[in-house]
Amino acid sequence: DAKTTQPPSMDCAEGRAANLPCNHSTISGNEYVYWYRQIHSQGPQYIIHGLKNNETNEMASLIITEDRKSSTLILPHATLRDTAVYYCIAAPWGSNYQLIWGAGTKLIIKP
Amino acid sequence: SAVISQKPSRDICQRGTSLTIQCQVDSQVTMMFWYRQQPGQSLTLIATANQGSEATYESGFVIDKFPISRPNLTFSTLTVSNMSPEDSSIYLCSVDGRGVEGYTFGSGTRLTVV
Repeated sequence: DAKTTQPPSMDCAEGRAANLPCNHSTISGNEYVYWYRQIHSQGPQYIIHGLKNNETNEMASLIITEDRKSSTLILPHATLRDTAVYYCIAAPWGSNYQLIWGAGTKLIIKP
Repeated sequence: SAVISQKPSRDICQRGTSLTIQCQVDSQVTMMFWYRQQPGQSLTLIATANQGSEATYESGFVIDKFPISRPNLTFSTLTVSNMSPEDSSIYLCSVDGRGVEGYTFGSGTRLTVV
């Protein structure tokens, strides 16, 4: 799996959009970009994934650059409950490929 | 998405003893995964458990220390054997829902070995 690089921590004001960057410059053509988050004392939660196109669901939007070397997760209206560690992972599709978990970004939403 | 019930949620154990962690899934799944998360660290895959076959362990993890059972398509156990304080971690089970929802995780077992 391609290695990903994320800032160790970020702050965001409540109600604002939280933009979390991720670099994956060695991503392969068959690797998707996955985002998960882990709220304190809970198991990780899937957020969104994408291959080339931008994606949006009820939780977030994922913007992938045209060269696929980086991406941004956008939480459009951050709330205090979005405070968590956010993990960006590049991996092929399918259960045969394990997810390699980096250190993630600790996002703190401030009132 | 699948719902996972993991227990116990936490335990404090004496060194040298063993603890068995259970994961029950509300639907049939082919593969179940066991992770360890050491304090302040990210997740590390321990092993992958398929029903009807022996679990596949990642480098650094051995069956004698972390025996896994997978008796059917909805249940698995992980045992942490002959525990030492270095085994103090959060242990998580996970199943693959990559069709739409990505992997689903249990709520974790917070283990403290004293």
